[in-house]
Amino acid sequence: GAGVSQTPSNKVTEKGKYVELRCDPISGHTALYWYRQSLGQGPEFLIYFQGTGAADDSGLPNDRFFAVRPEGSVSTLKIQRTERGDSAVYLCASSLTADSAQHFGDGTRLSIL
Amino acid sequence: DQQVKQNSPSLSVQEGRISILNCDYTNSMFDYFLWYKKYPAEGPTFLISISSIKDKNEDGRFTVFLNKSAKHLSLHIVPSQPGDSAVYFCAASEGQGAQKLVFGQGTRLTINP
Repeated sequence: GAGVSQTPSNKVTEKGKYVELRCDPISGHTALYWYRQSLGQGPEFLIYFQGTGAADDSGLPNDRFFAVRPEGSVSTLKIQRTERGDSAVYLCASSLTADSAQHFGDGTRLSIL
Repeated sequence: DQQVKQNSPSLSVQEGRISILNCDYTNSMFDYFLWYKKYPAEGPTFLISISSIKDKNEDGRFTVFLNKSAKHLSLHIVPSQPGDSAVYFCAASEGQGAQKLVFGQGTRLTINP
């Protein structure tokens, strides 16, 4: 079956612009997660959804970052007024239930010029 | 503050030999641990996990050992194969049902023919 799908795979934009990153989880998975991975580091937790609601957004670095999952399936991570430090690979993961293994997509590589 | 540490950025092992990847953690609340494998331009893939009620978990060529008193875990791969060449991440959480994974920085494993 299809895995976690993330689009676009690459995004290059200028400092100050707004970006949206999309995640399609595995069908039937109720939990969805966003992580960010900087060069040479492991993934860093951003936010977790259970259904439509954000159950834990403690990893969002500041109020320029926001994520939604309006119908409990697809999620969008939104970054306003992008900064060069936002450049990273943004990973999405989903799991069947809250206590099952997280399955990752291939990520979106975001580059802020 | 790095709560999960993989102190070896790289490891080179001959095909057929044992690969041992190490991971240390500082947060005593962590009680569920996972290993992920990552190929370039792909998302991390779940390999194996262990709960703190166990000290060993085995799955085929992969075995994870947990030493709670030392706050240390290791992943053993035997025998190592060329396809095992990848970056390996150790991750931890506070409970199997916890959604926030804390990752180490990763170890790049190279299997030489």
